[in-house]
Amino acid sequence: TQLLEQSPQFLSIQEGENLTVYCNSSSVFSSLQWYRQEPGEGPVLLVTVVTGGEVKKLKRLTFQFGDARKDSSLHITAAQPGDTGLYLCAGLSSGTYKYIFGTGTRLKVLA
Amino acid sequence: EAGVAQSPRYKIIEKRQSVAFWCNPISGHATLYWYQQILGQGPKLLIQFQNNGVVDDSQLPKDRFSAERLKGVDSTLKIQPAKLEDSAVYLCASSLELGQGAHGYTFGSGTRLTVV
Repeated sequence: TQLLEQSPQFLSIQEGENLTVYCNSSSVFSSLQWYRQEPGEGPVLLVTVVTGGEVKKLKRLTFQFGDARKDSSLHITAAQPGDTGLYLCAGLSSGTYKYIFGTGTRLKVLA
Repeated sequence: EAGVAQSPRYKIIEKRQSVAFWCNPISGHATLYWYQQILGQGPKLLIQFQNNGVVDDSQLPKDRFSAERLKGVDSTLKIQPAKLEDSAVYLCASSLELGQGAHGYTFGSGTRLTVV
């Protein structure tokens, strides 16, 4: 069974701080996605990374796919209360058609 | 475009009762997924449809869960009988095609089920 472990599980920080969330697996993925989920809503796609070593930036969010395509990180610069939510990574294994979701990181940014 | 519609939003039932959830995917999306998300965890895939055929139901507890997608559009997920551990949010998602990675899935808002 493929597992995607995210760390930390919970994170509470002050507005303006930087943070990094990690997504790790022993399996290789052909692509990896990051989602953000707010209470009472479904996850919303933030980014898809497909190439080992790829870095993508979305405003204050920076996503990196590991060289071996087994891990990924999400870095948020100058966090804002609007960044509060559950961050989920999801990996697609080669030869399959389904994304496996990670365990999630619950972020709370305090004003 | 309209999003993925799910109903009901909330449901409270007693254990051993039956419950059904409904999902209407984005128009034209061939692939439909049902996920179970227990509080504080990531979503777990229950079943995946391509049009009206099942692609993957390996994680579906078939002794109590069933799902169908008649005519390849709307889908229903049923639990009969429900157990306490079925309390979770049931998310429906759709995508244009199988493994539509770059565009991701579009999720509905989910149905929060509480079994008491």
